Amino acid sequence: SAVISQKPSRDICQRGTSLTIQCQVDSQVTMMFWYRQQPGQSLTLIATANQGSEATYESGFVIDKFPISRPNLTFSTLTVSNMSPEDSSIYLCSVERGVRNTEAFFGQGTRLTVV
Amino acid sequence: GEDVEQSLFLSVREGDSSVINCTYTDSSSTYLYWYKQEPGAGLQLLTYIFSNMDMKQDQRLTVLLNKKDKHLSLRIADTQTGDSAIYFCAESQVVDSSYKLIFGSGTRLLVRP
Repeated sequence: SAVISQKPSRDICQRGTSLTIQCQVDSQVTMMFWYRQQPGQSLTLIATANQGSEATYESGFVIDKFPISRPNLTFSTLTVSNMSPEDSSIYLCSVERGVRNTEAFFGQGTRLTVV
Repeated sequence: GEDVEQSLFLSVREGDSSVINCTYTDSSSTYLYWYKQEPGAGLQLLTYIFSNMDMKQDQRLTVLLNKKDKHLSLRIADTQTGDSAIYFCAESQVVDSSYKLIFGSGTRLLVRP
């Protein structure tokens, strides 16, 4: 398995501010993934972050709102910009391991509440 | 479509078997997964099955795959109170030689003593 650490584990933020979430992996990985889990909902992929290139965003998510950095093969950040209460969610980062990258492992998530 | 559907809730008595069902739509999915999420925690990969398999067993867990009906199930034998959690199934889609996961809505399993 992979050891994935996310910071912060939770935060309460004022609307209009931004929060940067960090994700650290215990070994090098090619791709890192950022997911959102809204209250009582399933997980939705926000974007895929490849080291050395711009992140690829899924439909409904844009770089201005969710800028992502991927400075090296073990680290990534996701920023939630200009927050509103609708951004209150759990944000999770994920990496792939295993034969042909078949196993996806998740961090413990960042529980964000926007007031 | 990309829908993965699960029933929302399942309640079983401790010691009984639990069966959590999932249907998916993408017939080209290569792998199908089961994840467990305990309160306040991230997702824990329980098991996965390759699409050319019908069944996979791992200790108390049995995964059954009916590819014709696009139906996936997770059976937990001798269910314990520690199994109470939300269980997500997910199907894989290949994007740029990497795997993108599409998740179901999750089934909340409650194990009664």
